[in-house]
Amino acid sequence: KQEVTQIPAALSVPEGENLVLNCSFTDSAIYNLQWFRQDPGKGLTSLLLIQSSQREQTSGRLNASLDKSSGRSTLYIAASQPGDSATYLCAPTNFGNEKLTFGTGTRLTIIP
Amino acid sequence: KAGVTQTPRYLIKTRGQQVTLSCSPISGHRSVSWYQQTPGQGLQFLFEYFSETQRNKGNFPGRFSGRQFSNSRSEMNVSTLELGDSALYLCASSPTGTQNIQYFGAGTRLSVL
Repeated sequence: KQEVTQIPAALSVPEGENLVLNCSFTDSAIYNLQWFRQDPGKGLTSLLLIQSSQREQTSGRLNASLDKSSGRSTLYIAASQPGDSATYLCAPTNFGNEKLTFGTGTRLTIIP
Repeated sequence: KAGVTQTPRYLIKTRGQQVTLSCSPISGHRSVSWYQQTPGQGLQFLFEYFSETQRNKGNFPGRFSGRQFSNSRSEMNVSTLELGDSALYLCASSPTGTQNIQYFGAGTRLSVL
């Protein structure tokens, strides 16, 4: 059974700083991994999807890396802005099981 | 292109009642998945439908059921509501399943009194 851990649970940083969010998963037989953000009371917005054959994926100020063998993914946010404040969730998908398994998320606050 | 649409946005029900939630996927998407989000358990997978067939199911009691129509719209039903069913219910659509990016709706917030 896939288990996903995200550390830290909460993070506050001043505006403009670069930061890294961590995601660990126990079953490395994944098909892909997605990073999402969720604003309070809202649905999820997909940020990046990394296929198992990839090591990195970039979108604007966001860069996600994947190390399947060690069961880790990181989300790097450059030059953070107050609008980046949200909860960030990672979710791998395993082969033969068409579902996302979510971590508990990291609640990020960017201080102006 | 319109996004994933969930209706209603908010619902208040009492214990023992039943409820039906609706999800309209992005046009052309054939896979619809449902998730339950609670403060205690986080996001948990309910089920996934593809071309009107349930393809995968999570660990929820039989009171939770769903279906998908020929136009890919999906409904989920919860019978005999319990207080613990209070949650944000999210649906996600994708062209073929989790090989693709999953696009989520804004959710339906269900409160059971």
